[in-house]
Amino acid sequence: TQLLEQSPQFLSIQEGENLTVYCNSSSVFSSLQWYRQEPGEGPVLLVTVVTGGEVKKLKRLTFQFGDARKDSSLHITAAQTGDTGLYLCAGVGEYGNKLVFGAGTILRVKS
Amino acid sequence: DTEVTQTPKHLVMGMTNKKSLKCEQHMGHRAMYWYKQKAKKPPELMFVYSYEKLSINESVPSRFSPECPNSSLLNLHLHALQPEDSALYLCASSQGWLAEQFFGPGTRLTVL
Repeated sequence: TQLLEQSPQFLSIQEGENLTVYCNSSSVFSSLQWYRQEPGEGPVLLVTVVTGGEVKKLKRLTFQFGDARKDSSLHITAAQTGDTGLYLCAGVGEYGNKLVFGAGTILRVKS
Repeated sequence: DTEVTQTPKHLVMGMTNKKSLKCEQHMGHRAMYWYKQKAKKPPELMFVYSYEKLSINESVPSRFSPECPNSSLLNLHLHALQPEDSALYLCASSQGWLAEQFFGPGTRLTVL
């Protein structure tokens, strides 16, 4: 079974601060997605990374895929209250047959 | 059309009721999924359909019965549910079985 360990589980910060969420595994992943979910809504796909060492930017969000494709990070610069939500990493293992989710990071940005 | 739609948005049912959840996508995706999600937890896979055939059943109790009438539609038939089945039920679709998935807004189910 391929597992994705996501940390931290919970993060409460002030508006304007920076933060990083980590997603780690001992297994290789073919691709990895990051989702953001608001209460009562479905997860919204933010990005997909597929190449080891890849870095993708989405406005104030920077996503990185590790060289060995075993880990990923999401960095948010100058967080805003609208960034509040549940952040999920999810990936398909190299020999997997389904999407594996991390446990999620609940982010709360206070004004 | 780049979204997955789900109906109803909310559903309250008794343990003896029979109800259905519906999911639709018009992105030409050939894989569709049902997930169950409890509050503040990640989604848990229930079923996967690929090219309208059931490919994965994650040992889901028979009181949940999926159906894929065509490549755009996915249903989840519910019967004799338990209060612990109360959750957000999410539908997702993807171009292919292991491609990136796009989720619908979910159905909030409450079983009394």
